[in-house]
Amino acid sequence: QQQVKQSPQSLIVQKGGISIINCAYENTAFDYFPWYQQFPGKGPALLIAIRPDVSEKKEGRFTISFNKSAKQFSLHIMDSQPGDSATYFCAASSRGSEKLVFGKGTKLTVNP
Amino acid sequence: GAVVSQHPSRVICKSGTSVKIECRSLDFQATTMFWYRQFPKQSLMLMATSNEGSKATYEQGVEKDKFLINHASLTLSTLTVTSAHPEDSSFYICSARWTSPDTQYFGPGTRLTVL
Repeated sequence: QQQVKQSPQSLIVQKGGISIINCAYENTAFDYFPWYQQFPGKGPALLIAIRPDVSEKKEGRFTISFNKSAKQFSLHIMDSQPGDSATYFCAASSRGSEKLVFGKGTKLTVNP
Repeated sequence: GAVVSQHPSRVICKSGTSVKIECRSLDFQATTMFWYRQFPKQSLMLMATSNEGSKATYEQGVEKDKFLINHASLTLSTLTVTSAHPEDSSFYICSARWTSPDTQYFGPGTRLTVL
C-alpha cells in the first residue's frame, strides 16, 4: 500500500517555466511534509517542508501548497532553471513516528 | 543545514566479503539515524532505524544478520553488509534526525558494487 502517491513520474519544462509536482496521502495522522531534491549519485537534500497549520510556504523560487481537506500537497518551482534538473521526492511523517514515507519521485528536466 | 557524511563514497568488493559503511553527523548530535537503500531510478527504501546505544529496528524483510547496524555514539552509525552478494549491490544512504523530530538530513550515499 503506497501511502504517498506522487505525480508525474517525469516532467519536462522549459527554462523560465513553472514546474509543478503533486503528492497525495491517505494517512490523516501525517503532519509533516518535506520535499527532497536528489541529483544523480548524491543523497537527497532537504528542499522545503510544511506542516498542516499553514496552506503555503515559500522559500525563494520554491513553494509548497498544502490542501488539508483534499490531503494533497504540491511543490512549485518558479522560473525553473537547468540546474533544477533532478529527481524530487515528497515525503510525509506523523508525530510520534520517526519514519518518513516517500513518494516514488519525479524526474524533472529543465531544458535551456 | 545540518551536515551528514558517509564513508566510503564508493566500494567494490568480492562476493562473500563484508563491507562497513560509516555515517557521521558532523555538526550536530543525532539520537536517531536511518539507513536506506535505493535502486536505480527508484525511491528510497528504509532498511532500519538506529538509535544511539540501543539495538537497531529493522524494517520487514530486511535481514538483521546480514545488515549489521551499530550506533555507538551520537555522531556515528555504521552499516556492515556481511557476506555480500551481487544482489546486495546498491546505493546505500544514511540520514540523521536533528532538532525537529521530523527533520532528516541525508548523507551523500555509498555506492556498493559486489562482484
